Amino acid sequence: EAQVTQNPRYLITVTGKKLTVTCSQNMNHEYMSWYRQDPGLGLRQIYYSMNVEVTDKGDVPEGYKVSRKEKRNFPLILESPSPNQTSLYFCASSPGQAGSPLHFGNGTRLTVT
Amino acid sequence: SQQGEEDPQALSIQEGENATMNCSYKTSINNLQWYRQNSGRGLVHLILIRSNEREKHSGRLRVTLDTSKKSSSLLITASRAADTASYFCASSITGANSKLTFGKGITLSVRP
Repeated sequence: EAQVTQNPRYLITVTGKKLTVTCSQNMNHEYMSWYRQDPGLGLRQIYYSMNVEVTDKGDVPEGYKVSRKEKRNFPLILESPSPNQTSLYFCASSPGQAGSPLHFGNGTRLTVT
Repeated sequence: SQQGEEDPQALSIQEGENATMNCSYKTSINNLQWYRQNSGRGLVHLILIRSNEREKHSGRLRVTLDTSKKSSSLLITASRAADTASYFCASSITGANSKLTFGKGITLSVRP
């Protein structure tokens, strides 16, 4: 089944404790992206990757890192999480042509205390 | 600021009625897409309309695009309780590679 898989689904952590949210897709998609969703703010793009070893900042990249060492994986790293990073995070992928529809994972709900 | 803005923010209708949701955007686009999100889950792509298209249908969905007004509408006909969800428009901006910019979403409630 074609899917984008994120883990974990829920995560509670404390300020400053490094964490990684994994994302993997099995559709051989070139484009991958991370979004955060907050009430009243909609979805905002954090980082995206056009292909392996190619990543770029989205609209709200501060406090996040990503890597794209393999085509299928695009982990999101929070080196020193803060409470304002409490949010619902989504990974998404697409074949890569401009404006292709995105396939979304089921989300990771992160709480930073 | 958001590229896409949906209107209304929330909509409550009776089962069987039609639901119309609107989206406005600011800059030139390649295409405009509509997504659905069930409570707290990932977004699911519904329909895509290209900048050179004016109307498109998919099952009970009808989407229109007016590039002169920079607006789109999504019509769900004969709504069902299962259509209850949040709906987002997303614009693919010309020259922005694969980036989609999302609006804040419309919450649709369909009463049985």
